[in-house]
Amino acid sequence: AQKVTQAQTEISVVEKEDVTLDCVYETRDTTYYLFWYKQPPSGELVFLIRRNSFDEQNEISGRYSWNFQKSTSSFNFTITASQVVDSAVYFCALSEVGDYKLSFGAGTTVTVRA
Amino acid sequence: EAGVAQSPRYKIIEKRQSVAFWCNPISGHATLYWYQQILGQGPKLLIQFQNNGVVDDSQLPKDRFSAERLKGVDSTLKIQPAKLEDSAVYLCASSDLLGGNTEAFFGQGTRLTVV
Repeated sequence: AQKVTQAQTEISVVEKEDVTLDCVYETRDTTYYLFWYKQPPSGELVFLIRRNSFDEQNEISGRYSWNFQKSTSSFNFTITASQVVDSAVYFCALSEVGDYKLSFGAGTTVTVRA
Repeated sequence: EAGVAQSPRYKIIEKRQSVAFWCNPISGHATLYWYQQILGQGPKLLIQFQNNGVVDDSQLPKDRFSAERLKGVDSTLKIQPAKLEDSAVYLCASSDLLGGNTEAFFGQGTRLTVV
């Protein structure tokens, strides 16, 4: 069975602060994908990144960066120099190779105050 | 490129009534998913289609929920009769798995309130 845990329910920061979102997962599969999605108040889930289990390289995209550590089953997400527009709920998700069904964590609500 | 379209955006019904949601996926996406998102939780998969065939409906409460994708494009999700605990956002997503792309693209969802 797959399980994704996002221990942080809510995080509140002041603009320009960095914020790190934790994600821990469980799976019996050796091959799998990890994802992060952003859900702004409009409700639509916006795809941010996909990482496959064979690729442990960290990735940076603008102000976003991701740290994948297979040894600790973690896939953490950092927003550098946060902005008000980053305020949203962020979901970590896991899928098996094959059917690609997403198992989501409970989400972390990020509030960035001006 | 147009995204995943869903309608209606909001629906309020009384318990024991029926309701239907519609989804139009991204053009060319053979895989379509329906997820249920209860307030404060992550989305949970209800059903997955590949073209017009069901891949997985193990989490669909089949005594009251049904879904179809007759022509392999649009899909409808129906609840009959609705219960209070069905209040949630119903998200439709599509992906181009057959084309080797695993990212799922989501619509804005239908927010259902059962009173």
